[in-house]
Amino acid sequence: QVQLVQSGAEVKKPGASVKVSCKASGYTFTSYYMHWVRQAPGQGLEWMGIINPSGGSTSYAQKFQGRVTMTRDTSTSTVYMELSSLRSEDTAVYYCARDPMDVWGKGTTVTVSS
Amino acid sequence: DIQMTQSPSSLSASVGDRVTITCRASQGISNYLAWFQQKPGKAPKSLIYAASSLQSGVPSKFSGSGSGTDFTLTISSLQPEDFATYYCQQYNSYPLTFGPGTKVDIK
Repeated sequence: QVQLVQSGAEVKKPGASVKVSCKASGYTFTSYYMHWVRQAPGQGLEWMGIINPSGGSTSYAQKFQGRVTMTRDTSTSTVYMELSSLRSEDTAVYYCARDPMDVWGKGTTVTVSS
Repeated sequence: DIQMTQSPSSLSASVGDRVTITCRASQGISNYLAWFQQKPGKAPKSLIYAASSLQSGVPSKFSGSGSGTDFTLTISSLQPEDFATYYCQQYNSYPLTFGPGTKVDIK
């Protein structure tokens, strides 16, 4: 069955970077774009950007430009989201979702705390 | 950016009630509108895409309508498993944006 398996929870200090992975299975990895969406505690959903696993092209939300990098590894059917210069406001659950957001990973909790 | 609003922000309803949630876009988005359901501690689940098309496996008690700027999600007969937060989302243009959510709880 179609599945997205995300990496485990992370705790980071302010100023550090975090890299979250999302491994796809059950479908042709390069045939579907992948989104990243985050949700701060008690808040709504926030779109961060999208990657084309086939060619690697990306589009990021302006808010994250310069701090986020989305990459993929076609050999392992995995996409990655790296967020740098972390601050406390980046504490959230980070989700990957296959376009058109019909399949979601379970989420990765990232906590930024000194 | 396209702003999405939802009303109400929360509602209390009883099992068996018909529930309608409204979503409005700050500019026309044709029918590029999706609805998601999210339960506490879980990932969102896709319910509807293209404003009115039911996602595979989603029960027919859920329905969507609208085009342009105004959209609705209707649950025809609320069941215990439907108590959750519902989000609309536009995918007409980047950045994709979500509404703030409507929390449906038990009266």
